[in-house]
Amino acid sequence: EDQVTQSPEALRLQEGESSSLNCSYTVSGLRGLFWYRQDPGKGPEFLFTLYSAGEEKEKERLKATLTKKESFLHITAPKPEDSATYLCAVQAGTSGNTPLVFGKGTRLSVIA
Amino acid sequence: DTGVSQDPRHKITKRGQNVTFRCDPISEHNRLYWYRQTLGQGPEFLTYFQNEAQLEKSRLLSDRFSAERPKGSFSTLEIQRTEQGDSAMYLCASSPILGQREAGYRYNEQFFGPGTRLTVL
Repeated sequence: EDQVTQSPEALRLQEGESSSLNCSYTVSGLRGLFWYRQDPGKGPEFLFTLYSAGEEKEKERLKATLTKKESFLHITAPKPEDSATYLCAVQAGTSGNTPLVFGKGTRLSVIA
Repeated sequence: DTGVSQDPRHKITKRGQNVTFRCDPISEHNRLYWYRQTLGQGPEFLTYFQNEAQLEKSRLLSDRFSAERPKGSFSTLEIQRTEQGDSAMYLCASSPILGQREAGYRYNEQFFGPGTRLTVL
């Protein structure tokens, strides 16, 4: 069974204090690994897709990396507006567009 | 804005009542997904469509749940005889198929709507 585990469950940072979120996965045939941001009461907002080990993607203060067993979301010099829950999901199988399997997320709080 | 839209955003109902939610996907996206999310959890897959065909249903989708996508456009999710355990956020997502390029989307990226928050009293 495909599984995604995110750690830590919650993270509190001072503004400007860089850190990383972890997403460990077990999947039969990874087709893609996805990062989403979710604000309270809203739907997940797409951030990145990673397809193969060694791949990296960047967007503003966020950088996502992928290995064969885990992915990291690095946050550099975070600001209070980066506070949100960050969700990791995997897509498995040999055909495209199969359902995503999500982790429980990491709740990030950035304090000014 | 041509993002995924959902209606209503909030629904409060009494146990035993039927409810129906609507999802309008991104224009020309062929695949449409329904997920459910409870507090402190990630979204869990319920069902998905390619055009009007329902291709997969999760074991979470009991007989009280039914989904349709007539004409391959919008979709509805109906819950009959609601129970308190049905209280959750119901999320809809859409995705282009292989070969589609819409404003730079890759074919297996799923884009979510704002969700419908259901509270069953």
